[in-house]
Amino acid sequence: DSGVTQTPKHLITATGQRVTLRCSPRSGDLSVYWYQQSLDQGLQFLIQYYNGEERAKGNILERFSAQQFPDLHSELNLSSLELGDSALYFCASSVVAEPGNEQFFGPGTRLTVL
Amino acid sequence: DQQVKQNSPSLSVQEGRISILNCDYTNSMFDYFLWYKKYPAEGPTFLISISSIKDKNEDGRFTVFLNKSAKHLSLHIVPSQPGDSAVYFCAASGGSQGNLIFGKGTKLSVKP
Repeated sequence: DSGVTQTPKHLITATGQRVTLRCSPRSGDLSVYWYQQSLDQGLQFLIQYYNGEERAKGNILERFSAQQFPDLHSELNLSSLELGDSALYFCASSVVAEPGNEQFFGPGTRLTVL
Repeated sequence: DQQVKQNSPSLSVQEGRISILNCDYTNSMFDYFLWYKKYPAEGPTFLISISSIKDKNEDGRFTVFLNKSAKHLSLHIVPSQPGDSAVYFCAASGGSQGNLIFGKGTKLSVKP
């Protein structure tokens, strides 16, 4: 158990809908990262927050947004969903935001868009 | 354009033998490299890392080698055990950002 929790574990929805994925980092970790893993793809970095502030942005679509709350949990909002958004979404956390820091991953949320 | 490449989608080895997983990268700004292991239905788990100022890091049965001039790293597992069967991801980070750039993974199967 990494100490990172993600809810829900599975999510099935229809095209055009909006969903919210939730992540609670390990106790004491200030940085949260979101990654997307599509079929046969490696993990693609979406966005990073550090202590409530956006720190870095990766390949995140404009239809997607995220935030980190004062209690450090984070939410990833996916809107106007398309079939291609079906993927595993992982949240990871680390103590600090610098390169080389070990990131602890949650179990992921599997999103299926029908 | 993939900055971190794992060209072997799968690898099968016999229990007790050495497993060698390879990874190539293109961005010379990367200065940290990490290996993660992933079992089905779980998130990736950190295995071992190496800084670009080193060429080798060892932790028990796991050793990572870095060849900066070739932009290549490898993970050696000796001896391999059936419980090592998983997907192994190579990842890199660098510059001022902490996010990881992942390869597509290599599925390792260790046969008893």
